[in-house]
Amino acid sequence: AQTVTQSQPEMSVQEAETVTLSCTYDTSESDYYLFWYKQPPSRQMILVIRQEAYKQQNATENRFSVNFQKAAKSFSLKISDSQLGDAAMYFCAFRAYKYIFGTGTRLKVLA
Amino acid sequence: ETGVTQTPRHLVMGMTNKKSLKCEQHLGHNAMYWYKQSAKKPLELMFVYNFKEQTENNSVPSRFSPECPNSSHLFLHLHTLQPEDSALYLCASSFLLDREGEKLFFGSGTQLSVL
Repeated sequence: AQTVTQSQPEMSVQEAETVTLSCTYDTSESDYYLFWYKQPPSRQMILVIRQEAYKQQNATENRFSVNFQKAAKSFSLKISDSQLGDAAMYFCAFRAYKYIFGTGTRLKVLA
Repeated sequence: ETGVTQTPRHLVMGMTNKKSLKCEQHLGHNAMYWYKQSAKKPLELMFVYNFKEQTENNSVPSRFSPECPNSSHLFLHLHTLQPEDSALYLCASSFLLDREGEKLFFGSGTQLSVL
């Protein structure tokens, strides 16, 4: 069975600092996509960043980057220069034939 | 209006009531989804519609009845719900088989409380 595990229910980071959110997954598929979605208090989830499994290069989107370790089945999200607006729930997701989501990590940003 | 819109934002209903959740997307997508979000649990996929045809029903109880009249609108009809059905219900849409892993676009959800 395909699973996604986010072992950190909650994380805190000081404004302007860097934080890394962990995600591991389990699959026997070789071709898949990985995503990080952000759910702010408004509840509308938005895509933060995605990674194709066949690409070795880690994806980056402005202050957001991932550390994709395919052999270890690890997909962590690094947020640099954290801002108050980054406070949200972050969900890691895997998609081969369908989406599998993790349980989420609540990120608090301290002023 | 753009994006994915869900109404109502909040809903309180008794166990004998019948209500409907509405979702509308203005993105030209051809797939629509209902997800259930409960605290400390992964998002649970309930239903998938591709080009208005239901392609997935994840063993959802019959007290939840989806309807997709066209590619832009999706409904979730609710009747004789149980208190454990209280959750945030999220609608999402996507392009089928796009080149980006079928990015999901979500609405803001309906927070449902069953008394």
